[in-house]
Amino acid sequence: KQEVTQIPAALSVPEGENLVLNCSFTDSAIYNLQWFRQDPGKGLTSLLLIQSSQREQTSGRLNASLDKSSGRSTLYIAASQPGDSATYLCAVPSDFAGNMLTFGGGTRLMVKP
Amino acid sequence: KAGVTQTPRYLIKTRGQQVTLSCSPISGHRSVSWYQQTPGQGLQFLFEYFSETQRNKGNFPGRFSGRQFSNSRSEMNVSTLELGDSALYLCASSLALAGGSVTDTQYFGPGTRLTVL
Repeated sequence: KQEVTQIPAALSVPEGENLVLNCSFTDSAIYNLQWFRQDPGKGLTSLLLIQSSQREQTSGRLNASLDKSSGRSTLYIAASQPGDSATYLCAVPSDFAGNMLTFGGGTRLMVKP
Repeated sequence: KAGVTQTPRYLIKTRGQQVTLSCSPISGHRSVSWYQQTPGQGLQFLFEYFSETQRNKGNFPGRFSGRQFSNSRSEMNVSTLELGDSALYLCASSLALAGGSVTDTQYFGPGTRLTVL
């Protein structure tokens, strides 16, 4: 059974700092890995999806990498801003259609002005 | 294009009652998945519907059920509510052309906050 872990559970950084969020998974036979953002009491917003054949994906100040062999993914946020404050979740699908996601517990990020 | 919508946004029920939640996917999306989010268990997969058929099911009791209509809209029902059913219920839709692929991104709705008293 796939297990997804995110460390740290919470992170507080000053504005402008570059930071890395970690995600690990136990079964390396994944189809893809997706990073989401969740604001308090809200739904999830998809940030990046990395296919199993890819090593990384970039969107603006965000860069996600994937190392299947070690069961790890990282989300790099450059020049953090207070608006980046949210919970970040990673998820992997258990089916080829990609619609049965197993989520990590999330990292709650606070960026202080 | 409108995003995933869920109704109602907030719901308060008492133990033993039943509840129905609704989800309208993004236009053209054929797959709808449901998730339960609680502080203790995090996000857990409930079930997924594609072309009006339940394709995947998570590890939840039979009190949790769902269906999908021909227009891809989906409903989930929880019968005989328990205090532990209090949670944020999220639905997600994806394009799922030809049944779906690993390149499909899931788009989530804002959720329905269910409180069971």
